[in-house]
Amino acid sequence: NAGVTQTPKFQVLKTGQSMTLQCAQDMNHEYMSWYRQDPGMGLRLIHYSVGAGITDQGEVPNGYNVSRSTTEDFPLRLLSAAPSQTSVYFCASRRGDGRAESSYNEQFFGPGTRLTVL
Amino acid sequence: AQSVTQLGSHVSVSEGALVLLRCNYSSSVPPYLFWYVQYPNQGLQLLLKYTSAATLVKGINGFEAEFKKSETSFHLTKPSAHMSDAAEYFCAVSEMDSSYKLIFGSGTRLLVRP
Repeated sequence: NAGVTQTPKFQVLKTGQSMTLQCAQDMNHEYMSWYRQDPGMGLRLIHYSVGAGITDQGEVPNGYNVSRSTTEDFPLRLLSAAPSQTSVYFCASRRGDGRAESSYNEQFFGPGTRLTVL
Repeated sequence: AQSVTQLGSHVSVSEGALVLLRCNYSSSVPPYLFWYVQYPNQGLQLLLKYTSAATLVKGINGFEAEFKKSETSFHLTKPSAHMSDAAEYFCAVSEMDSSYKLIFGSGTRLLVRP
């Protein structure tokens, strides 16, 4: 299994440009999520999905859009990039069967995308 | 909403010394708690997790953590630090519902001196 994969690894954008960060997992996990990591702030949840066709907002959703058409893929779209979106982005997946008890399942992380917005 | 506090953004120890990384959580019910490690330029890797089966949890690479309900703490320890332990460590708590959200602390960077 490849686990969680993310592309690209690095990206430089100009203010106002749009782009899509790709995330895929081959573990048949129902739950997928996107985080951003900024120095001294840990990881903050952007959007998450508990299954194909279902998405919801996390802590910092503004400026980002997601969709989940398949179990495997969960792309993150930046609609109009801003310098405040310069960050490292991590995608993660987790097994979940809809029960609250599944919250103990390990979350697997991708290697990250380092994004710079000029 | 649940939250996690990690005391000390940087901790420096000598090789062979005890490692202690602190984590406190806020939750009205015993939560599911996790410690993750991030090596430079890599994603996060699970070290260990608490799921109410035992208060002392053993993880990978010789790390362990003790859940103390009275202190709302879940501190991470290792008896003897190794140079390869240098990394950033994150404590996280899981929302106790079907959203499966993980709430992370701000992280502690561990430096190991030779």
